[in-house]
Amino acid sequence: DTAVSQTPKYLVTQMGNDKSIKCEQNLGHDTMYWYKQDSKKFLKIMFSYNNKELIINETVPNRFSPKSPDKAHLNLHINSLELGDSAVYFCASSQFGTGSEQYFGPGTRLTVT
Amino acid sequence: AQSVTQPDIHITVSEGASLELRCNYSYGATPYLFWYVQSPGQGLQLLLKYFSGDTLVQGIKGFEAEFKRSQSSFNLRKPSVHWSDAAEYFCAVGSLSGNTPLVFGKGTRLSVIA
Repeated sequence: DTAVSQTPKYLVTQMGNDKSIKCEQNLGHDTMYWYKQDSKKFLKIMFSYNNKELIINETVPNRFSPKSPDKAHLNLHINSLELGDSAVYFCASSQFGTGSEQYFGPGTRLTVT
Repeated sequence: AQSVTQPDIHITVSEGASLELRCNYSYGATPYLFWYVQSPGQGLQLLLKYFSGDTLVQGIKGFEAEFKRSQSSFNLRKPSVHWSDAAEYFCAVGSLSGNTPLVFGKGTRLSVIA
């Protein structure tokens, strides 16, 4: 069974479009995250939710909007996509808070043309 | 503020040779420390973690790491590298107080040659 899953794995779209990435974890964890990994492999946290409540919101354009319908799901919606949004987006989850070990999904490679 | 430095961007080792990847952190209290591995096209997998206790921690795939408070280091080691170990390795530091996110280093890319 996959612990943290993301869909889709690849997403190719044009500038200006709106797209969503979905994430689900079956670990029973309370906290979920979105990270962005750029072409240099640098990982940057974007958002974190704990039991459906937003607890970390880093400096991210407001075109990015996370939504957590329940504590097992955290989706990321991106409006008006730009070239600079091209990256790999990782979902992760943890049991014991934002500083504890996190379990990552396989990633979604977003390419904006 | 917490920070993590991985001084080596890229390391190449021969298969069967030993490996040490360096990680230095900056944190005011006792940190929680992690090493993750990312194989090409994959997500990050937790190799090992240090919270407290024995400063030498064992992880998966034959890796170990040693916490040295005096040097603010948490170096990753493996006695004999396999070709399948070629990947990107990330060190991270965290804290269980407040809503402070994990801070990741910029990663070290490991290449393994025959």
